[in-house]
Amino acid sequence: EVQLVESGGGLVQPGGSLRLSCAASGFRFSTYWMSWVRQTPGKGLEWLANINQDGSEKYYVDSVRGRVTISRDNARNSLYLQMDSLRAEDTAVYHCASSVAGYFDNWGQGTLVTVSS
Amino acid sequence: EIVMTQSPATLSVSPGERATLSCRASQSVSSNLAWYQQKPGQAPRLLIYGASTRATGIPARFSASGSGTEFTLTISSLQSEDFAVYYCQQYDSWPQTFGQGTKVEIK
Repeated sequence: EVQLVESGGGLVQPGGSLRLSCAASGFRFSTYWMSWVRQTPGKGLEWLANINQDGSEKYYVDSVRGRVTISRDNARNSLYLQMDSLRAEDTAVYHCASSVAGYFDNWGQGTLVTVSS
Repeated sequence: EIVMTQSPATLSVSPGERATLSCRASQSVSSNLAWYQQKPGQAPRLLIYGASTRATGIPARFSASGSGTEFTLTISSLQSEDFAVYYCQQYDSWPQTFGQGTKVEIK
């Protein structure tokens, strides 16, 4: 069974940092592009970043470029998202997802990030 | 970026009835469109990719069609487990973008 389990969310002050993790199991993690997608009641689902199989290609949506870094460790079957200079509008549930040709075939339940003073 | 617009925002349907959901793209996305189902507290689940291909394990009562800018997801006979929010997503053009969702609720 495919499982993606996110962790690392929590309450952080504006300007602060968080590192999210996603533990993958049940599939060949090293052969998939992986993505982070966030979800808010107001803006819905927003793709943030993706990374190719060996980590040599990374892409970011404009709204987070320069403030977040996606990375992976294939030996640990793990995906990461380092988020810096956090803003109130970054408050969301953050999902990791495996992607195939641009769509997302498996998702984690997400981890909640709240940016507030 | 391509804007995806879903309608209606909420669809009230009785169990056993047909539900038809629409998704419109602000410019052509060819057939590079996916549909997802999300229940409260759960992760989104891939239903359809390539505009009309059911993902593994998705029941045949889910069907989808369309290309270019107009797409439709049909649930032929709603079961209790189908009441959820449905999202479309284009992956033809960077960045991938999602619609705002259609909530299918029990009438």
